[in-house]
Amino acid sequence: EVQLVQSGAEVKKAGESLKISCKGSGFSFTSYWIGWVRQMPGKGLEFMGIIYPGDSDTRYSPSFQGQATISADKSISTAYLQWSSLKSSDSAMYFCARLSTNGWSYWGQGTLVTVSS
Amino acid sequence: SYELTQPPSVSVSPGQTARITCSADASPKQYVYWFQQKPGQAPVPVMYKDSERPSGIPERFSGSNSGTMVTLTISGVQAEDEANYYCQSADSSGNWVFGGGTKLTVL
Repeated sequence: EVQLVQSGAEVKKAGESLKISCKGSGFSFTSYWIGWVRQMPGKGLEFMGIIYPGDSDTRYSPSFQGQATISADKSISTAYLQWSSLKSSDSAMYFCARLSTNGWSYWGQGTLVTVSS
Repeated sequence: SYELTQPPSVSVSPGQTARITCSADASPKQYVYWFQQKPGQAPVPVMYKDSERPSGIPERFSGSNSGTMVTLTISGVQAEDEANYYCQSADSSGNWVFGGGTKLTVL
C-alpha cells in the first residue's frame, strides 16, 4: 500500500529554523516526483515545488523560490521541507504528495506549522 | 504567470447536478486534475487527465473538456459531496498550479 506519512505538528517562534518530513512507503521512492503544497489558514492550495529523489532534481514554483528548501534522503525514503528563518506568514498546513501518471494521486496527512511572533 | 480560474462557490440542492468550471489562461492547454477537500483533511483526487475517474470515486463524478474550459460535474449531488474542489494543471514549463478553489454547498 502506497503511503506518505508526514511528521507531526510544529510550534515555532519567528526566526527559528524548521525541517518537516514526508516518509514514503509501499513504492520505489526514487522513481516518483514528490511535491509540497502549502495551505494557509482558510485559504486554497498552493504548489511550492517538487523533487525527484532518484537524482535530487528539484524545481520550485516561482512564488516559492527562495522561501523554503526542498530536499530528500533516498536512503530512508524521506522528503523534506525546511526553513532557515521562519516568519509568521509561514504558518500553514503543509502537504506532500506523489506524482504518478494519474497525477498527484497520493497525499500525506499534512503537517501543521504554527509560527508565533 | 499561468492561472486557473474557478468560481468561488456553487450551491445545489440534493439530487441536482453541480457543475464546477476551471479555465486556463495559457496555451497549449495541459491536462486538468480535480481534488476534493473536506475540512481538516488532505485533498482527495476525484478526476485526472480532464475526464478520468480514479478507482473508488463514485460514477456521479465526471469531467469534460470543451477546449477553453474544463468542467467537473457531480450528478445527483449528495450531502457528502459538500466540500472545496480544486482544479490543478501545469504550464508548459512544468510548473504546477491550483485554481483558487470552489466551495460546493449542498442546500
